[in-house]
Amino acid sequence: GQQLNQSPQSMFIQEGEDVSMNCTSSSIFNTWLWYKQDPGEGPVLLIALYKAGELTSNGRLTAQFGITRKDSFLNISASIPSDVGIYFCAGQTGANNLFFGTGTRLTVIP
Amino acid sequence: ETGVTQSPTHLIKTRGQQVTLRCSSQSGHNTVSWYQQALGQGPQFIFQYYREEENGRGNFPPRFSGLQFPNYSSELNVNALELDDSALYLCASSQTGAVDTQYFGPGTRLTVL
Repeated sequence: GQQLNQSPQSMFIQEGEDVSMNCTSSSIFNTWLWYKQDPGEGPVLLIALYKAGELTSNGRLTAQFGITRKDSFLNISASIPSDVGIYFCAGQTGANNLFFGTGTRLTVIP
Repeated sequence: ETGVTQSPTHLIKTRGQQVTLRCSSQSGHNTVSWYQQALGQGPQFIFQYYREEENGRGNFPPRFSGLQFPNYSSELNVNALELDDSALYLCASSQTGAVDTQYFGPGTRLTVL
């Protein structure tokens, strides 16, 4: 199946700092999604991207759909303690099959 | 809270046994998808059920099977359990089947010894 590689694998940042993480694939996707997963919970959708080059914001979160359709990034500005969790990118090719990345674990130090 | 519930929360089985996991979809949702999330990995799509029929399947062997009931709740059955089946099993429900409208449940943690 499709491989989605996320980087970095983990991050430790100070509260108030900005965060940037990205996701690359060997395959082209039609839709990119970014999720956050807290311990003991299922993933929660943060942002959905539908078009190459699209830049979308949701509060302090901004994500972009790469021009090549093989990558995407997520930025979090002015991080707060509740941003702690694991962030997953996911790509969809056109069917209902969703391929998830390997995850970026974010720790925010107060 | 998403309104998607799963049971049981945890269970432990031994190799070769069979297991059934259950998912109640959010009210008004007619599509349920199942995912397997191994420790430290992202979820992997197993299959999707729409109006009681399988509507797409990922790269999982036939010993992973499912059902959807008239009330749109769903079951995931795994036969002949293997150690590698140990994982968090997530279900997600949606109104249209579109992945950007699905809500995940909290998952069932399965441990195979």
